[in-house]
Amino acid sequence: ELKVEQNPLFLSMQEGKNYTIYCNYSTTSDRLYWYRQDPGKSLESLFVLLSNGAVKQEGRLMASLDTKARLSTLHITAAVHDLSATYFCAVDVQGGSEKLVFGKGTKLTVNP
Amino acid sequence: GAVVSQHPSWVICKSGTSVKIECRSLDFQATTMFWYRQFPKQSLMLMATSNEGSKATYEQGVEKDKFLINHASLTLSTLTVTSAHPEDSSFYICSARGTTGQAKVTDTQYFGPGTRLTVL
Repeated sequence: ELKVEQNPLFLSMQEGKNYTIYCNYSTTSDRLYWYRQDPGKSLESLFVLLSNGAVKQEGRLMASLDTKARLSTLHITAAVHDLSATYFCAVDVQGGSEKLVFGKGTKLTVNP
Repeated sequence: GAVVSQHPSWVICKSGTSVKIECRSLDFQATTMFWYRQFPKQSLMLMATSNEGSKATYEQGVEKDKFLINHASLTLSTLTVTSAHPEDSSFYICSARGTTGQAKVTDTQYFGPGTRLTVL
C-alpha cells in the first residue's frame, strides 16, 4: 500500500524567509503532484513532476523530484503572506493511472 | 482551459434523504473522473474512479450502494449519496482527466470547486 508522508504538517514562518516542505512516499512512482488549498476551497494545481530529477519553478515556489530517494520537495523562497495555505503532495499509484494518494498536507502560515 | 465545475456548491439535507452531486468538465472531454471526500482539516481520500460508459471502481471501505456513481457522458459524472446520515457530512471534490489526444489536459487531474454536504 502506497503511503505518502509530508512534513512538517504545520509551518509558521515569517515573511522573507525560506523553507522547504518534504514529501516522502513508500513505493515506486514517477509522477508526483503538488497542490494548494485555501480554506473552504478546492485544490489548485501547482506542479506536475513526471520524471526523476524534474525541477519546476513558479514564482516563489520550486518543486523537485528524486524518484530514487522517493522524495519530493517544495521550496519556498522569500515567503509572502499570500502563500499562506495548505499544500498537498500526491503520488500516482499506478504510473499514469492518475489514481492519487495524498499526503496529509502542510498548513503554511506566513506572518508579516 | 481545463475547467471542472460541480453543482451544487453546498447542500443541506435531512437525514435519510438522497443527494446528487454533478461534476462536469466544461471545455474538455474526460473519460475518467475521480471522486474524493475531505473531512475538516484532513486530507483528500479517493472514494472511486468513474469511467465513462462503465461501472465505477470503488476504493476499499467505500459502500457502492451508498455512493452511487454514474458517468453517462464524456463531460458529466454524478455522485448520489443515498439515505444520507450526519456522518456523511463532508466536502466532496471531483476531478477529471482529459482523454488521450488532448495533450495539455492529460498530464494531470483538474479539480472541481467542491460540494459541501451537511446532513442534519
